[in-house]
Amino acid sequence: EVQLLESGGGLVQPGGSLRVSCAASGFNFSNYAMSWVRQAPGKGLEWVSVISGSGEIIYYADAVKGRFTISRDNSKNTLSLQMNSLRAADTAIYYCARDQLASVVLDVFDLWGQGTMVTVS
Amino acid sequence: DMQMTQSPSTLSASVGDRVTITCRASQRISRWLAWYQQKPGKAPKLLIYRASTLESGVPSRFSGSGSGTEFTLTISSLQPDDFATYYCQQYSTWFTFGQGTKLEIK
Repeated sequence: EVQLLESGGGLVQPGGSLRVSCAASGFNFSNYAMSWVRQAPGKGLEWVSVISGSGEIIYYADAVKGRFTISRDNSKNTLSLQMNSLRAADTAIYYCARDQLASVVLDVFDLWGQGTMVTVS
Repeated sequence: DMQMTQSPSTLSASVGDRVTITCRASQRISRWLAWYQQKPGKAPKLLIYRASTLESGVPSRFSGSGSGTEFTLTISSLQPDDFATYYCQQYSTWFTFGQGTKLEIK
């Protein structure tokens, strides 16, 4: 089955660090760019970061630049987001999402995980 | 910075109604515009990409139009399953979502 499964969310104090992960299955993970998208409680969607299939292209939203690091391990079909210097404003459900087309970075997200909750308090 | 503005923020409608949601981009994005549907407690679902192309499996009552800076999502005849929140997203310059439109039952 084609799916994404996030893990690693939890409660962390302001200024702390947390690493969330996304396990992919059912498709050729290394062919697809992947993104993290977050949603604060009761709020809209906010794109966080993208990484190309090879890992060579990485981009961050201004709100997390310098604090978050996206990475992937194609041998383990895993996407990760290392979050440092966390703030209350980073409290959100973090979703991983796959690009619709292989070998493209700027594309829509056709596959989403169920999300993992990160609470900074 | 790219901004995406949806209107209205909330829309009350009845089953069978035709509804339209508008999304405006602060810069021209050609047709690099997608629409997503999100239900409470669930991940977003892709409905439309490239402004007007229906994702596989999405009912034909959904349609999208527009180019440049003005886009619309239309649901021709609302069904009970359609009451949800809808987001537009540009993917011309990285990614930006609109603030969302909550479609409520009247």
